[in-house]
Amino acid sequence: EAEVAQSPRYKITEKSQAVAFWCDPISGHATLYWYRQILGQGPELLVQFQDESVVDDSQLPKDRFSAERLKGVDSTLKIQPAELGDSAMYLCASSLEGGASYEQYFGPGTRLTVT
Amino acid sequence: GDSVTQMEGPVTLSEEAFLTINCTYTATGYPSLFWYVQYPGEGLQLLLKATKADDKGSNKGFEATYRKETTSFHLEKGSVQVSDSAVYFCALDGQAGTALIFGKGTTLSVSS
Repeated sequence: EAEVAQSPRYKITEKSQAVAFWCDPISGHATLYWYRQILGQGPELLVQFQDESVVDDSQLPKDRFSAERLKGVDSTLKIQPAELGDSAMYLCASSLEGGASYEQYFGPGTRLTVT
Repeated sequence: GDSVTQMEGPVTLSEEAFLTINCTYTATGYPSLFWYVQYPGEGLQLLLKATKADDKGSNKGFEATYRKETTSFHLEKGSVQVSDSAVYFCALDGQAGTALIFGKGTTLSVSS
């Protein structure tokens, strides 16, 4: 069964350092999402891609976060510099297309700890 | 803006007990509603969904009915098992019809 892959699964970094997460969606899925899940909270959207284009990045802290999906396949989310408040689970999801008719499939997530 | 409110956990039950996890929502328009489950160490999985009022979503013995009049989508199961222990998230699709808006999650712990 096809799955969304993410790496690394765990990352510990010091504040002010740069950190990057990678996501490989299910093959053929045009829409890719990055969510952030703070401990004890539900996931919140950071950025949504349709192919290689950003559809929604209104909640992405653009002073320190960046995301790209250059060839419309895999994606990288970067934080520079990391802050203590960035400690969270970063989830990637993909769907065939955007919209409620298409199920979002989630990867296992990357747990980030900033010290 | 749109939002989802879930009952706070943790919910602790004995095996074969009846489960209800309450979920209410605020939204403009007519969103689709979802329940996702997150087992320990795993990603979120879609459990069930409903796309319009009075629809009932069901899967693995879980059910939820889209109630427009009470803006609710409560999750129920008649007889829980230890393997149902997980975190359950209620969600709706946002105004753009794309990204999901989640509740805070409810932790369910079932003991034998």
